[in-house]
Parts: sequence; structure tokens; C-alpha cells
Amino acid sequence: EVQLVESGGGLVQPGGSLRLSCAASGFTVSSNYMSWVRQAPGKGLEWVSVIYSGGSTYYADSVKGRFTISRDNSKNTLYLQMNSLRAEDTAVYYCAREMGGSGFDYWGQGTLVTVSS
Amino acid sequence: SYVLTQPPSVSVAPGQTARITCGGNNIGSKSVHWYQQKPGQAPVLVVYDDSDRPSGIPERFSGSNSGNTATLTISRVEAGDEADYYCQVWDSSSDFYVFGTGTKVTVL
Repeated sequence: EVQLVESGGGLVQPGGSLRLSCAASGFTVSSNYMSWVRQAPGKGLEWVSVIYSGGSTYYADSVKGRFTISRDNSKNTLYLQMNSLRAEDTAVYYCAREMGGSGFDYWGQGTLVTVSS
Repeated sequence: SYVLTQPPSVSVAPGQTARITCGGNNIGSKSVHWYQQKPGQAPVLVVYDDSDRPSGIPERFSGSNSGNTATLTISRVEAGDEADYYCQVWDSSSDFYVFGTGTKVTVL
């Protein structure tokens, strides 16, 4: 059974850092396209970052230069390192698997990141 | 950047048909995917590649895509279909994934 479990969210001050983790089971992270998608309170879905199976990475303009996506193949886990956090980064962060270019077929339950002083 | 526009809300009576549009420049040339999200839950893929359904999704959910508009159609609407719906594409010009603005479907 495919499962994605996020962790690492919490309350952080503006300018601070946080690392999110997404532990996968039932499939191999490194063989798939994996993304982070976030949703601010009461708002819509916003794509954040992707790491392709070949290792290429891409970021939304809103996080480029501040966030880094990576994976640990030995742990079958996806990460999102978030630096220089801002209030507008407050959101539930989901990790999601892309089904060979045909949409995100599996999502985690989400982890809440709150940036506030 | 590529923009996908959806109506904020759609209301429909039980048993009727709901149509949710997703507008984008020449969206007919892209593959469109649709997600259903209920309060407090993660999104669920209900239609991919314009009109295909993942296993477990009822046949009542269907999609089409042409020109500048993609449409998600929910036939014989049930109370359990009440949710937010998002369209999504991949923009090859930027290697970005783009979500629509979202539509809240209310079952009267």
C-alpha cells in the first residue's frame, strides 16, 4: 500500500528555518517525481517544489532561493528545507507523488507550518 | 506565468449535474488533472489527463478539455460530492505545476 507521512511542521519565528520530512512506503521515492504542495489557511493549493527521478529540481518563484527539496534514497524519504521563513509561508504542506506526468495520485496528510513571532 | 481560472462557487441540487470550468490560455493543448478536497483532508485525484478516472473514482466524474476551457462534470450529484475542486496542469515553458483557483461545490 502506498503511503506518505509528513512530519517536521510547527511554529517558527520569521527568519527561522524548518525541515519537513515525507516518509514514503509502498513505492520508491527516487523512481518517481515528488512534489511539495502547500495550502495557506482558507486558501487554495500552491505548488512549491518538485524533484524529478533524475534529480533535477524546480521551485516556485515564491520560495526560490529559500527552500531546498531533496531526498534520501536509503530512507525512502523526501525533504523540504525551508530557510528565511516569512509569515506568508504559513500553510499546511503536503508531499505528493506524481503519476508519470498524469497528476498527483498520492498525497500525505499534510503538516502545518506556522511562521509567527 | 500560466494562470488557471475557476468560478469560486457552484451550487447544484442532488441528482442534478454540476459543471466546473477551468480557463487557461490554450489549455486544450495541455493535460488537465482535477482534485477533490474535503475540509481537513488532503486532495484526491478524481480525473487525470483531461478525462481519465483513477481506480475507485465513480463514473459520475468525467472531464473534457478543448480550446481555452477544461470542464469537470459531476453527474447525479450526491451530498458527499460537496467539496472544493481544483484543476491542475504542468506548464512546460517554465517547468512549473499550476493549480486553478478552486471551486467550492455546494449541494443544495
